[in-house]
Formats: sequence, C-alpha cells, structure tokens
Amino acid sequence: QVHLVQSGAEVKKPGASVKVSCKASGYTFTDYYIYWVRQAPGQGLEWMGWINPNSDVTYYAQGYQGRVTMTRDTSISTAYMELSRLRSDDTAVYYCARRITEPGTPVGYWGQGTLVTVSS
Amino acid sequence: DIVMTQSPDSLAVSLGERATINCKSSQSVLYSSNNKNSLAWYQHKPGQPPKLLIYWASTRESGVPDRFSGSGSETDFTLTISSLQAEDVAVYYCQQYDSTPHTFGQGTKVEIK
Repeated sequence: QVHLVQSGAEVKKPGASVKVSCKASGYTFTDYYIYWVRQAPGQGLEWMGWINPNSDVTYYAQGYQGRVTMTRDTSISTAYMELSRLRSDDTAVYYCARRITEPGTPVGYWGQGTLVTVSS
Repeated sequence: DIVMTQSPDSLAVSLGERATINCKSSQSVLYSSNNKNSLAWYQHKPGQPPKLLIYWASTRESGVPDRFSGSGSETDFTLTISSLQAEDVAVYYCQQYDSTPHTFGQGTKVEIK
C-alpha cells in the first residue's frame, strides 16, 4: 500500500525556517509528483506546490514563491518542504500528498500532517 | 488562478436527510485529454488528512459509500449526501486539478441539526 509518513511537529520562532519531510513507501517514488497542502487554524486547505521527484522540477504557488523550497532525496524516497522567514500566520498543519493514479487525477494519498507552530 | 467558490459556508441537516453542497469555478475545468471535468471533493475531519470522495466530478473513489454523489460540469458542481449519517459531520472541500495552482474552495461545514 501507498504510505506517506511525515516528520513530527515543530515549534519555530518568527524569522526562522522549518523543513518538513515526507517519506514515501509502497510505490516507485520517482513515478509520482509530491504535492504540499497546508491548513492554518480555522482556515481552509491551501495548495502550496509540487515537486517531480524524477526530474527535481518544482512548481510553487505564487504566495509562496521566494520562501518555499521543495526538494527530494530519491535514495531514501523522501520529499522535503522548507519554508523560510516564518511568520505567525505560517502556523498550520502541512500535508504532503500524491495523486491516486496517472497524471490528470487528483491527490488521494496523504501524509498524516505535520503541525508547525510559529511563536516567539 | 482559478477561483473556487462553495455555498453554503455551513449547513445543518437532520440525520437521514439530504445535504447538498455547491461549488462554482471561475472558469471551465474541463480536461481536454478525456473530456472530463477535473473537479474533486474531499471530506476533512479534525486531526485527519483530507479524504478523497469524488473525482472527475462524479466518479466515487473506491470504498466511499454510495450516499455520496457528485454532479455538474464546466463551472458548476454539486456534492450530495443522500442520507446524512453522524459520521459525515466534517468540512467538505471542492478542488479543481485542471490547472496549477490546484485551488480549493473555502470549505463547507456540515453538521447535524
């Protein structure tokens, strides 16, 4: 079965950076993009971007460009999302996700989520 | 970016009654490769990741109860829960996955009346 397991909760100070990992198993890691979505407290789901683990090509939503970096390590089937210059409104649960099947289908496999708290 | 707008923001329905959620996209989400609408519905409960219910606007994901159904095309879509159960209390989101960014609606909170 497809599994995406994320790293644990983080507490960071404003201005710092956080790096969340997402370890994939149960499929060939390089065959599927990894997507990142977040949910701030009391807010809706917000799509952040994706990384193609095969080519290392990334796409970032406009609101995150310049602050987010998505990377991957194919040797350990792990994707990473690093967010820099953290602000209090970056406090959120961050999810990684994968499409259900071929390109053109939606995400349907999700990590368990990682709570990132930004507080002084 | 495609803007997804859901209505209502919340609704309270009696157990066993029908719940209907609407989703409108600011432009067509028709996927030209298969002539299907790239519209998904997710159920999100606290402390859990979102769960995919419906994709291609009307295809039920494996294992999803048949009381959940999706309909619509082009820019107007609907999620229907035919007979609300207690375990259906959640926030429901539509998402277009036709073009990046894959935007979500703002969510609709479904509660028991």
